[in-house]
Amino acid sequence: AQSVTQPDIHITVSEGASLELRCNYSYGATPYLFWYVQSPGQGLQLLLKYFSGDTLVQGIKGFEAEFKRSQSSFNLRKPSVHWSDAAEYFCAVAFKAAGNKLTFGGGTRVLVKP
Amino acid sequence: DTGVSQDPRHKITKRGQNVTFRCDPISEHNRLYWYRQTLGQGPEFLTYFQNEAQLEKSRLLSDRFSAERPKGSFSTLEIQRTEQGDSAMYLCASSQGDAPSSDTQYFGPGTRLTVL
Repeated sequence: AQSVTQPDIHITVSEGASLELRCNYSYGATPYLFWYVQSPGQGLQLLLKYFSGDTLVQGIKGFEAEFKRSQSSFNLRKPSVHWSDAAEYFCAVAFKAAGNKLTFGGGTRVLVKP
Repeated sequence: DTGVSQDPRHKITKRGQNVTFRCDPISEHNRLYWYRQTLGQGPEFLTYFQNEAQLEKSRLLSDRFSAERPKGSFSTLEIQRTEQGDSAMYLCASSQGDAPSSDTQYFGPGTRLTVL
């Protein structure tokens, strides 16, 4: 079945440590790929997106993601986490032929320890 | 540009009542999307508009749900005869253009619906 999977429901990381969030997709074709962040009481904010070209994508707030076609993955990374990065992170995919509607993964909640 | 706004932010209603939510997109964005997010889950697509035309409806959108975008600007989502299972956060997003490179969806803060 076509799906977007975020294997980790929760991740706890110490402030200053690195962070990697996993995202895998299962589609016949390569979709457009997105990472969004949702803080409590806030709307979803786009961190970065991949359409084509360079497989390493830079986003806002110091985040980057790498597209690996062979692994059907689009993992999100940050070298040094700040307490303000505590939030829920969603990976999403879209296809132009499907009206660009987003299909989201289940999300990963990130907790940051001082 | 104040971003996507949604009204109300919270709605508590009794089962069987009708509710209506409003979404004001970023001006001149021609696409408007509705999503629903239940607790602990990612958002799920409900429907979307290109200008005033509703181009797709998810099978999640039962007959009790109706969405409109009469003048291609703001949109309303109505739920008739609400059920407890309708309790969720309803998210609206807007975007400009149909090329994925320019079709970044900007989300509003959402309307949280609680059906008692």
